[in-house]
Amino acid sequence: DTGVSQDPRHKITKRGQNVTFRCDPISEHNRLYWYRQTLGQGPEFLTYFQNEAQLEKSRLLSDRFSAERPKGSFSTLEIQRTEQGDSAMYLCASEAGATYEQYFGPGTRLTVT
Amino acid sequence: AQSVTQLGSHVSVSEGALVLLRCNYSSSVPPYLFWYVQYPNQGLQLLLKYTTGATLVKGINGFEAEFKKSETSFHLTKPSAHMSDAAEYFCAVSGGFGNEKLTFGTGTRLTIIP
Repeated sequence: DTGVSQDPRHKITKRGQNVTFRCDPISEHNRLYWYRQTLGQGPEFLTYFQNEAQLEKSRLLSDRFSAERPKGSFSTLEIQRTEQGDSAMYLCASEAGATYEQYFGPGTRLTVT
Repeated sequence: AQSVTQLGSHVSVSEGALVLLRCNYSSSVPPYLFWYVQYPNQGLQLLLKYTTGATLVKGINGFEAEFKKSETSFHLTKPSAHMSDAAEYFCAVSGGFGNEKLTFGTGTRLTIIP
């Protein structure tokens, strides 16, 4: 296993710009999760895929946020019209079926100026 | 709905002393409980999990935790702290099958005093 990878690791953007993050899960992990972590807080659930199907979205995920997982492999998380409140660490995790062991990537740190 | 409360945002222990990090949960369904560790600039790593069965669970790096339903607790312990244990620790809960998303506590930063 090469682990969960995320790209980029850091992103600085101006308010109002769109950003896209990528997550590559561990090979053959059919479940993929996105979480957001702000300073001093634990991660908060954003959305979850099983294969290519997006099964659940948090109310935290406003319509400026969209996530995809084409072909059930990598996933992208796009934020449109970024706001300063979007500044956070965006974490991706993958899981092999219902093993209850989510493996986390290193995260993408977004700073909106 | 599920939630966890971690008591103590910062805990300091001397090297070689007992580590005790506290976690209480609230869940409307039988909980699945987890402890994760986060080192600086790294992702979260699963230390241990409780799903069903034995209530005392052992994890990596000498950590263990005990599920106590009557106390709604899942405290993390380690008999003897090492300098390498310094990190942020997160307790998390999920609802099990069909509700696997994790709900995390706010974390406890563990400092080891030489």
